[in-house]
This record gives sequence, C-alpha cells and structure tokens, in this order.
Amino acid sequence: QITLKESGPTLVKPTQTLTLTCTFSGFSLSTTEVGVGWIRQPPGKALEWLALIYWDDDKRYSPSLKSRVTISKDTSKNQVVLTMTNMDPVDTATYYCAHKGGSGFISWFDPWGQGTLVTVSS
Amino acid sequence: DIQMTQSPSSLSASVGDRVTITCRASQSISSHLNWYQQKPGKAPRLLIYASSSLQGGVSSRFSGSGSGTDFALTISSLQPEDFATYYCQQTYSTPNTFGQGTKLEIK
Repeated sequence: QITLKESGPTLVKPTQTLTLTCTFSGFSLSTTEVGVGWIRQPPGKALEWLALIYWDDDKRYSPSLKSRVTISKDTSKNQVVLTMTNMDPVDTATYYCAHKGGSGFISWFDPWGQGTLVTVSS
Repeated sequence: DIQMTQSPSSLSASVGDRVTITCRASQSISSHLNWYQQKPGKAPRLLIYASSSLQGGVSSRFSGSGSGTDFALTISSLQPEDFATYYCQQTYSTPNTFGQGTKLEIK
C-alpha cells in the first residue's frame, strides 16, 4: 500500500522560504519510471501542478514558478523535499505531494497525500 | 504550457441522472488525459487515466472518452457520493496542467 504525507510549517511570513517534506512508503524512488510530484490548491480554487522528480533524478518545474521552486529527493529516507523562495500571500494554499504512476506519456498521480495548508501572512 | 478548459464550471443534477463533463486542450495531447474527483477537504482521487482507462476500484458508472483536444467524463447514473468537483489533467507535456474544475452539485 502506497502512502504519502506532507509536513512543514503551517505559517510563513512574506519573503521567507518554504520547505515542505513528503515522506512516503510502499514504493521506492529508485524504481524505474517512479516519480513524486507536488501540486497546490489555493482555498476554493483549482489544482496547480508545481514540480515533479523522477527515479533518475530528472526534475521538471512549472515555468511560472521555476525561478522559485526546487525539488529534491532522499531515496534512502523515502522523502521528497520542495522548497519555494520569496513566499507571498498569493502562495497560500494546500500543498499536496503525490505518487506518479505509469510510464512515459501515460502517467497519473495516485495516490495523493492528505495535503498541508500553508498560510503566508505577516 | 498547455491550457485545459473544462465545461461547465458547475452543474446541478439529480440522483440517477447521466452527466457529461468536457475538457478541451489548447493543443493536441493524444490520449494523455486523466480525470480526478475531489470532495471537500480531501485530496483528489484518480478516476480515469489515458482518457478512457478506469482506475482500479473505481465504479464502472464512470467512463472517459476522447483524443486529440476534446475529452469527456461521463457518469452514467449519479449516486449521492458522486457529488464533488472533477478535474482533468494532461500528461502530454510538463507542466502537466489541470483544468479549472467542474463542481457537480445536487439539484
């Protein structure tokens, strides 16, 4: 059974850097084709794809956030870390990590973590 | 980025109704389209991948279709637990963008 759980601060101040950790079980990020992604959802709004890291350390980012976001993995700890710099109130959202299944173009996010609400406020 | 546009944004329907939600991509994405269901306060749940493949454990009243730029999610006979928000997602290229969501409400 695959499970994921996000952890990190619930409140950050504007201009600070956010660091979120996704701790997972039930799969290995050293297995071919496996990946972990980050997605966020502002309150009452739609899902926004942020970043994805693959088993081979290939990393993909949303172009609109690429200058602010970094994704990394620690395979031995079964963790993926997302950092986002220069946080702003518009970054207030629930942040989800999710397991990427499938292969090549045929891929999907399943399952997802429960999400963690991050509020940006002074 | 590939833009995904869902319609309608919201929909009222009754238990037992057949409903269809559509998703249009700003360029051809072949069949690389997923559908998710999200209930309030919960994480999204995968329903359909690769346009028409039903995820394990998902009711057969859900079905997906389409290729190229136009896709549809159909629920054959609405059940009370189906009232939720539905999102499409393209996996043709990163960023794997989502649609803006369709909120399905009880009439």
